[in-house]
Amino acid sequence: DQQVKQNSPSLSVQEGRISILNCDYTNSMFDYFLWYKKYPAEGPTFLISISSIKDKNEDGRFTVFLNKSAKHLSLHIVPSQPGDSAVYFCAARDGNKLVFGAGTILRVKS
Amino acid sequence: EAGVAQSPRYKIIEKRQSVAFWCNPISGHATLYWYQQILGQGPKLLIQFQNNGVVDDSQLPKDRFSAERLKGVDSTLKIQPAKLEDSAVYLCASSLDSRYEQYFGPGTRLTVT
Repeated sequence: DQQVKQNSPSLSVQEGRISILNCDYTNSMFDYFLWYKKYPAEGPTFLISISSIKDKNEDGRFTVFLNKSAKHLSLHIVPSQPGDSAVYFCAARDGNKLVFGAGTILRVKS
Repeated sequence: EAGVAQSPRYKIIEKRQSVAFWCNPISGHATLYWYQQILGQGPKLLIQFQNNGVVDDSQLPKDRFSAERLKGVDSTLKIQPAKLEDSAVYLCASSLDSRYEQYFGPGTRLTVT
């Protein structure tokens, strides 16, 4: 039972353009959502988060949007840079536990 | 500030053998997590410690997996005996407390042949 889904396994974007990564969830009890970024042979690193009481959080080039009625969140990266090429995981908090999606591979072409 | 340390980085064993992974969390972090990440999937929580007590081990296959966190610092995850389906990256993470962001180590890639 996948409670957090990232339906796009990969995404390719031109440098300078916007990258939009999507995530859907089923559990309405999730109270906090996070995005992690992972480079090969490294562990995931925290990128940005949003509380379920907000609908937007921005940090530099990264913005996360939350649509609670649709149980959907998205990560926008503007402008995209080649160094952003990585696997991006969406995660949701249920009590003390994080539930992760399967990840989306982002490739930013220069 | 030193990050989460894990060893070994890679391990290849035959099925039915035993293996152990070690994790040293960030200093002062009370919460420690072990995750299993199978290729093409997201990390799945195996066990969570708060200091040296277990908070959640509901997804740990207890017939073959065990973990301990002696003295509330370092932790060891053991698999005995290993199965082919245990091939995965085992990630250790720590946080100041369970409500804070988790910091991940580089992981141990286990291949069971």
